[in-house]
Amino acid sequence: QKEVEQDPGPLSVPEGAIVSLNCTYSNSAFQYFMWYRQYSRKGPELLMYTYSSGNKEDGRFTAQVDKSSKYISLFIRDSQPSDSATYLCAMSDTGTYKYIFGTGTRLKVLA
Amino acid sequence: KAGVTQTPRYLIKTRGQQVTLSCSPISGHRSVSWYQQTPGQGLQFLFEYFSETQRNKGNFPGRFSGRQFSNSRSEMNVSTLELGDSALYLCASSLPERQGNTGELFFGEGSRLTVL
Repeated sequence: QKEVEQDPGPLSVPEGAIVSLNCTYSNSAFQYFMWYRQYSRKGPELLMYTYSSGNKEDGRFTAQVDKSSKYISLFIRDSQPSDSATYLCAMSDTGTYKYIFGTGTRLKVLA
Repeated sequence: KAGVTQTPRYLIKTRGQQVTLSCSPISGHRSVSWYQQTPGQGLQFLFEYFSETQRNKGNFPGRFSGRQFSNSRSEMNVSTLELGDSALYLCASSLPERQGNTGELFFGEGSRLTVL
């Protein structure tokens, strides 16, 4: 079993839909949780960062962490075709830069 | 502010050869990490360097090695290339922890290696 599990998709949604992307993990020591977006032939770019549990909102994006369930989510409201990309979750325990990534979910937003 | 720069962007090698990839971090970033990205495995951590010292290492064979120079630039080397080494190799830089940063990784666009 992988430390971080992420549904690979692909996930196709119509423009304007609410998108829910999820990751589960097994290591209870993880404290830092991030979501990255990766466009084709580009490096990943950070979307959201959350420390420990709770919610964080930034524009159309909301990140949630439920440490009791070892489950994190990224919600995208009013999805746009420009949101079409691969979304990667990443997590790390305290005090290290060794991040464990999910395999990524491919999202396609249809105009 | 310039981002993370990786060279070369694309390269083709044959089995048994070796390859060296280069990474220039964002100015002021002293931590450099390397990841291998493949369709089946996703991003897998190779190693992380800080102040010319390897601080963390992933589960890769000894054929994969790296180093960091005093100006924080980093190189990784893969010797005796195998077909399975074909991948996108990503470099990421970060600020040091003591500056209270979040540990955010800033990625370059990667070096795409094809082994024939």
